[in-house]
Parts: sequence; C-alpha cells; structure tokens
Amino acid sequence: QSVLTQPPSASGTPGQRVTISCSGSSSNIGSNYVYWYQQFPGAAPKLLIYKNNQRPSGVPDRFSGSKSGTSASLAISRLRSEDEADYYCAAWDDSLSGPGVVFGGGTKLTVL
Amino acid sequence: EVQLVESGGGLVQPGGSLRLSCEAAGFTFRSYWMSWVRQAPGKGLEWVANIKEDGSEKYYVDSVKGRFTISRDNAKNSLYLQMSSLRAEDTAVYYCAKDLLGGPSKAGMFQDWGQGTLVTVSS
Repeated sequence: QSVLTQPPSASGTPGQRVTISCSGSSSNIGSNYVYWYQQFPGAAPKLLIYKNNQRPSGVPDRFSGSKSGTSASLAISRLRSEDEADYYCAAWDDSLSGPGVVFGGGTKLTVL
Repeated sequence: EVQLVESGGGLVQPGGSLRLSCEAAGFTFRSYWMSWVRQAPGKGLEWVANIKEDGSEKYYVDSVKGRFTISRDNAKNSLYLQMSSLRAEDTAVYYCAKDLLGGPSKAGMFQDWGQGTLVTVSS
C-alpha cells in the first residue's frame, strides 16, 4: 500500500481534459514539493511536473500540476492518444520513522 | 547529454547478495544527490535510497534498512547499491536517478534516469 494515494485508472477521449489526484498527508504533500512522472511500458519514468506546478523544458503546456493542502492533482488538457501511459506522483516524506521519497501507486491513463 | 548506465543485475538466490553499479556521464556527478528507485514486475515505482553529494547523508526505505547500502565514488562518477539478505520481494528493475534538487524536503525531482537493471531473487 503506497503512502500517496492515486486512483488506479483514469480515462478520457481525445480532446478531453482529465485529472489525476494524489492524496497524502501533512508529512509529505502537506509540507514538501510534489513531482509527477509519466512512464510508458518498458521505459524509464520521465519527469513531467516539479515543485508542484512547474514544467521541465520540453513538456507540453497541456500538462499542469496543482497542490492544495495534503492533495495534489495532475491535469492533462486536449488529451492525445500518445498520453496513454502510467502516471505517478512523488514527494519527500518527513516521517520520523523513516524520512524518504514516497510515490503514489500509479494511475494508468487510457485514451478511449 | 546526461547518461546513467546501471549494471550488476541478475539472478540470485534468496539470502544472497548483489552489488549494483551506476556509471554517470555528461554532468558534474559530485554536485548531485543520487537515488535508487525500483519497480517490481507489473508494479509501481518504489524509492529505495538516496545519498548526498559527498556521501555524508544517506536515507533508505524501511524495507531495505540494514540489508542495503548505498554508496558513491565521485572520482569514478559511480553510484552503488550493495544488497544483501535478498528476498523474493526485492525482485525488480532497479533504476539509478539523478535528483536535481536533492536533500530532505526537496528530494524527488528525478530529472534523469538510467535504463534500469533487473534483479531477480529466486531459488
């Protein structure tokens, strides 16, 4: 069971806007940056969003991130077939029992 | 161009040991926190450990504490993961990743990843 909670699946049709949620707690999302990753089968993950809502160079502006309290969201607008992939959120967790980076369980996005 | 190349994976029996290596190129290795992240077959990503630029700070996920040791050799631009007392649940592709921000409260910005090396723990 992951520390950060994501829906296992999401779907949308081309052109639609979809959002993927990531729920955490005060020790992770509530006090630290949130990152989002995109992963295609057989490939390494790719950084999509950093510092909650910043896009690395080369990431289309169709991808956006937001954070409020202990939750974060990734929004993908103008959905395209090539967006079909797995998406993961991540954050540093200040847990006294063992600080470290925690990931969400991942969301498989299907473009119908 | 940043390059991270992992090696050392393979088949190992439960209770055995293995040392993974990650050779870095294309950036100033000694200036970045580095991490190991793993992914079990068909499962999600799991951060394993990270290490500060000079090796003076290290953090581990609870499930590997006391069994895995992360280290680095900045003179060789290399990152290592010594794994012992391996269990079936350690079976995964292990990625090394460069953390652009690094450090407590900021770590997790993995800008660059290797291609991964598969570790299979089975008798």
